[in-house]
Amino acid sequence: GQSLEQPSEVTAVEGAIVQINCTYQTSGFYGLSWYQQHDGGAPTFLSYNALDGLEETGRFSSFLSRSDSYGYLLLQELQMKDSASYFCAVRDDQAGTALIFGKGTTLSVSS
Amino acid sequence: DGGITQSPKYLFRKEGQNVTLSCEQNLNHDAMYWYRQDPGQGLRLIYYSQIVNDFQKGDIAEGYSVSREKKESFPLTVTSAQKNPTAFYLCASSISRGGGYGYTFGSGTRLTVV
Repeated sequence: GQSLEQPSEVTAVEGAIVQINCTYQTSGFYGLSWYQQHDGGAPTFLSYNALDGLEETGRFSSFLSRSDSYGYLLLQELQMKDSASYFCAVRDDQAGTALIFGKGTTLSVSS
Repeated sequence: DGGITQSPKYLFRKEGQNVTLSCEQNLNHDAMYWYRQDPGQGLRLIYYSQIVNDFQKGDIAEGYSVSREKKESFPLTVTSAQKNPTAFYLCASSISRGGGYGYTFGSGTRLTVV
């Protein structure tokens, strides 16, 4: 079967840097994705890592280590609008081509 | 503008009724998906479809049914067999298999059993 583990909550202040970790267990591996969801809204795609290393997109970066079955999302220069839930997701052989999502990490940014 | 439209935004169902949630996309995406979201549970996969007239069960398909007669449409029926249907339902689509290019989500339907 498949499973993803990520912290349930993270808090930080404006301007800080925060890292949200994700460990996964899958039958086969086809990349790690990250999504952001504001309260009551639709999830939006942030990043995708198929190979080891760091991918940077503006203030957000995502890292993958396939040998450790581990990845993280790094958010820099935090802003109040970054307060949201963040989900890691993987594809698994048992789910065909669909993504399996973690339970999400709620990030609260304070001033 | 291209996107995914889910309707209605809010839906109330009486016990024992079937209800159908609409999902339409004009992104020309081949794959479409239905997820259910409960507080603290993340997104759980109900059904997915890679091509027209084909769909597969996800982890929590019991009590749900789908159809994929057109590329643009992937409606979800919540049947009376679903014992706890109150939840937030999200439809998504993607251009590539496996989400490498990312899913596009609709704005969701919040279903409440009254």
